[in-house]
Amino acid sequence: GAVVSQHPSRVICKSGTSVKIECRSLDFQATTMFWYRQFPKQSLMLMATSNEGSKATYEQGVEKDKFLINHASLTLSTLTVTSAHPEDSSFYICSARDESGGIYEQYFGPGTRLTVT
Amino acid sequence: GQNIDQPTEMTATEGAIVQINCTYQTSGFNGLFWYQQHAGEAPTFLSYNVLDGLEEKGRFSSFLSRSKGYSYLLLKELQMKDSASYLCAVLDSNYQLIWGAGTKLIIKP
Repeated sequence: GAVVSQHPSRVICKSGTSVKIECRSLDFQATTMFWYRQFPKQSLMLMATSNEGSKATYEQGVEKDKFLINHASLTLSTLTVTSAHPEDSSFYICSARDESGGIYEQYFGPGTRLTVT
Repeated sequence: GQNIDQPTEMTATEGAIVQINCTYQTSGFNGLFWYQQHAGEAPTFLSYNVLDGLEEKGRFSSFLSRSKGYSYLLLKELQMKDSASYLCAVLDSNYQLIWGAGTKLIIKP
């Protein structure tokens, strides 16, 4: 199956700093990637849809100026959490959509656990 | 609005069979996915149904009835490693995945 990598897997940062998370599709091109957040014992929450070469589409309630998304190539999307606060501590998961087979399956990265102190 | 319902939690015994149901109401339908997610890990793909009927893949099977807006995931010969959350997701008319809240499956010896 297709592989999506995510880096870093874990990051601890101080309140007020910014953190960048990378999501890469390793063996396929992804026009569309997705960023999710998951709090403990809760389901996935879609934050935004990242479209290659255009602006991301954010879900209601997600601050676009705080969660900056860049999808500059067909294999890389980045999420930058700016001015991080402890409440931003969460498990961030990206996925890349493979549209080549007509199924539109999403392949998930391994996730990034962010802890803001 | 769009809605996907699945039980919050289920418990089953090692070696037994369990069926996890999912009902959905979405704007359009382009297929239904089941994903498995172990605690602290990202979801992994289990199955995809777009036509009515049963898809079998080893110990796991998935069923779809589009007219009823219903699917189930059937797990046979349960193993302890099957303890996880199982997520139902529907691809809507815009090819966006609509997620259920997930079913936490607890396997007891």
